[in-house]
Amino acid sequence: DVKVTQSSRYLVKRTGEKVFLECVQDMDHENMFWYRQDPGLGLRLIYFSYDVKMKEKGDIPEGYSVSREKKERFSLILESASTNQTSMYLCASSPGRSGQPQHFGDGTRLSIL
Amino acid sequence: LAKTTQPISMDSYEGQEVNITCSHNNIATNDYITWYQQFPSQGPRFIIQGYKTKVTNEVASLFIPADRKSSTLSLPRVSLSDTAVYYCLVANQGYNNNDMRFGAGTRLTVKP
Repeated sequence: DVKVTQSSRYLVKRTGEKVFLECVQDMDHENMFWYRQDPGLGLRLIYFSYDVKMKEKGDIPEGYSVSREKKERFSLILESASTNQTSMYLCASSPGRSGQPQHFGDGTRLSIL
Repeated sequence: LAKTTQPISMDSYEGQEVNITCSHNNIATNDYITWYQQFPSQGPRFIIQGYKTKVTNEVASLFIPADRKSSTLSLPRVSLSDTAVYYCLVANQGYNNNDMRFGAGTRLTVKP
């Protein structure tokens, strides 16, 4: 069965810290995505990657960066965490560039104090 | 860009058919429409995907009119376990992802 694993379910960090959120998929998918989910706003795309070492900005990339050194792993980095980055973060993957459905992890709820 | 609009919430009763509509007036020629279901503390899960007309699988149907400016997810005979948030996504087949838009989600509550 398809599996997308996010390293933490809950995370609490302090303002100004550098925060790493990790995501691993076991399906050999080319595409990987990072979203944030906030009440009333749905899912908003932060960054995505369609290949190793490739990345592209989504709707809200400010304050975030990403790293994809291996096909199965996609990391989201908050360079200097701020309170407005408190949110649910969801990682997803999908095969190829065919527009096939995405498979999601169960999310990381991040609180920045 | 294909902005998507959905109702914020809907209520239904067990055994009824539920139809959730998503508006996407600026849908592009290469865009597909995908619906996801999300339970609390879980990531969204794929339900159904279509391009035009009607698609049916074991859990839902998706109706897309000829102009493709909207789509309707139909859940037959809902049960309490169908209580969830439902999202529509409009995205092009080539995954030019700056054109990918999730709706804000529809919270469906199924009552006994």
